[in-house]
Amino acid sequence: EIVLTQSPATLSLSPGQRATLFCRANESVSTYLAWYQQKAGQAPRLLMYDASTRVPGTPARFAGRGSGTDFSLSISSLEPEDFAVYYCQQRSKWPLAFGGGTKVEIK
Amino acid sequence: QVHLMQSEAEVKEPGASVKVSCEASGYTFTSYGITWVRQAPGQGLEWVGWVDPNNGDKHYAQKFQGRLTMTTDTFAVTASLELTSLTSDDTAMYYCAILTKPPAELYDSWGQGTLVTVSS
Repeated sequence: EIVLTQSPATLSLSPGQRATLFCRANESVSTYLAWYQQKAGQAPRLLMYDASTRVPGTPARFAGRGSGTDFSLSISSLEPEDFAVYYCQQRSKWPLAFGGGTKVEIK
Repeated sequence: QVHLMQSEAEVKEPGASVKVSCEASGYTFTSYGITWVRQAPGQGLEWVGWVDPNNGDKHYAQKFQGRLTMTTDTFAVTASLELTSLTSDDTAMYYCAILTKPPAELYDSWGQGTLVTVSS
């Protein structure tokens, strides 16, 4: 089965700074990778699919990159509402899987 | 409006079984697969499995093989998850969801979650 490893576990940044989150798969998932955002007490929300395509409503400051085994999610300038936990999910092969998550917290 | 209504919270003893249901409304039930995701307290998301209400196809995470059963009832427009031989590690919020991608009309719809607590 495919295992996703996210890094770092926690990112401590200030509003306005740039955030870069990473997701690595133990085998190729092509570009079948999604990114979710989860805020405390809420269900996750899909931000990005196919590695780099924003879901309608996802701000342009979010950018996804990568293919194969290495992926990243960048937030160009953090807004207060961006502080949350982010998960990658592979959709290439059954069983699907989530990464362990990266928490973006206010420094 | 799409709605996935889940059953109420459950408290179970170790070794018992639990069944969580997810009633769909606002869309054609057989048009989208149902994904189950769980989240232990303070932990990350865990993909549990997926079931297709159209033909009953299903895929489970390997760690649950042998004690997980996912079913759908097209008449009752309900998906269900049953997990047996519960341990404290199964204590989590269980979500049903429709997780696809555009241009699908539905691609990110979640139930409200069902808290399953396993405790003696």
